[in-house]
Amino acid sequence: KAGVTQTPRYLIKTRGQQVTLSCSPISGHRSVSWYQQTPGQGLQFLFEYFSETQRNKGNFPGRFSGRQFSNSRSEMNVSTLELGDSALYLCASSPTAGPNTGELFFGEGSRLTVL
Amino acid sequence: KQEVTQIPAALSVPEGENLVLNCSFTDSAIYNLQWFRQDPGKGLTSLLLIQSSQREQTSGRLNASLDKSSGRSTLYIAASQPGDSATYLCAVTSGTYKYIFGTGTRLKVLA
Repeated sequence: KAGVTQTPRYLIKTRGQQVTLSCSPISGHRSVSWYQQTPGQGLQFLFEYFSETQRNKGNFPGRFSGRQFSNSRSEMNVSTLELGDSALYLCASSPTAGPNTGELFFGEGSRLTVL
Repeated sequence: KQEVTQIPAALSVPEGENLVLNCSFTDSAIYNLQWFRQDPGKGLTSLLLIQSSQREQTSGRLNASLDKSSGRSTLYIAASQPGDSATYLCAVTSGTYKYIFGTGTRLKVLA
């Protein structure tokens, strides 16, 4: 059974550009959540999608957005990149949505560097 | 607001030692607590999930306990090996949020 797949694994952008990251969940999982990991702030929740609907959102500016497709694949977008957006972006999948969702499975992450 | 703390931030032990990692959370109204390990530059690997109605879970050399009333969980690693070297993270779900993570304990097992 394939795990959570994130692409691209590494990318370098410059300030002001935008970036789109992709996540394919485990087959049969309908919830996809996104996290940002930085050395200073640790792992922070960005948002969760279930059945193509955003179910919850963390405390991030509107430059961070996402969507989910009918096959449960998800993308997140960051517009007008800032140096502070440099981070490891992790995607996780679970069978259902919400806080009582059971086990969370993570992908390898997308390492974004903003110059 | 739920806060998750892990102490110590870093730990070095000789191979073969049994060890305990600690996780504390401020709001006892949690649904689940999950322990993960993360190798440098990699994603998170799920180790154990404890649901709020459970008190412990075991997998191989790992045992995790949960005491909701005191807001604490421990991860016990028996007979540690160099391959156990990694950062260990605990996370809880509460309120409407998906998992809230601690800052992790960086473990190094010396051969």
